[in-house]
Amino acid sequence: KNEVEQSPQNLTAQEGEFITINCSYSVGISALHWLQQHPGGGIVSLFMLSSGKKKHGRLIATINIQEKHSSLHITASHPRDSAVYICAIAGGAQKLVFGQGTRLTINP
Amino acid sequence: EPEVTQTPSHQVTQMGQEVILRCVPISNHLYFYWYRQILGQKVEFLVSFYNNEISEKSEIFDDQFSVERPDGSNFTLKIRSTKLEDSAMYFCASSETSVQTQYFGPGTRLLVL
Repeated sequence: KNEVEQSPQNLTAQEGEFITINCSYSVGISALHWLQQHPGGGIVSLFMLSSGKKKHGRLIATINIQEKHSSLHITASHPRDSAVYICAIAGGAQKLVFGQGTRLTINP
Repeated sequence: EPEVTQTPSHQVTQMGQEVILRCVPISNHLYFYWYRQILGQKVEFLVSFYNNEISEKSEIFDDQFSVERPDGSNFTLKIRSTKLEDSAMYFCASSETSVQTQYFGPGTRLLVL
């Protein structure tokens, strides 16, 4: 069983829609990361969470430690948000364990 | 804004050859990491490095892999005898502490023929 499960695997939406990507994990963690991977392959860190909620621009990330679940929301989505969004957990040691990613496509 | 850099961006090599992938972490960062991503698969942890020694490694990081910080700025991953299955994108990352955000380099795409 994968330690990190993301849903959906693929998501297509129209510009302006509210987007939610979900991440569930099965082990205790010290932090959860949301990352963005663009078609060229580069990875950008969006959020690191250990509790509650964080907001940066149109992106919001939440985590529920008791339920072992996190969500990434994008408000007023735009075609430039099209990318693969990856959830990764840190279990106390330094290494990150990655989910499979959610491929998001925003159509104009 | 400081960033992690990696060279080369692409490398093609023959099976059995040695390759060295290079990374320059962000200058005040103390923790360094290598990850790899086989095409179409998820990113996988290879190794973390702190205070001039390996602090954690995965089962993927076997005897054919080694890491080194040869000077104050570079961090390298060496694959001694490449195999076809080593073809992947290799990402270097660094962080200021073990519990802070990791910053990723742009990756080196390695193709083993």
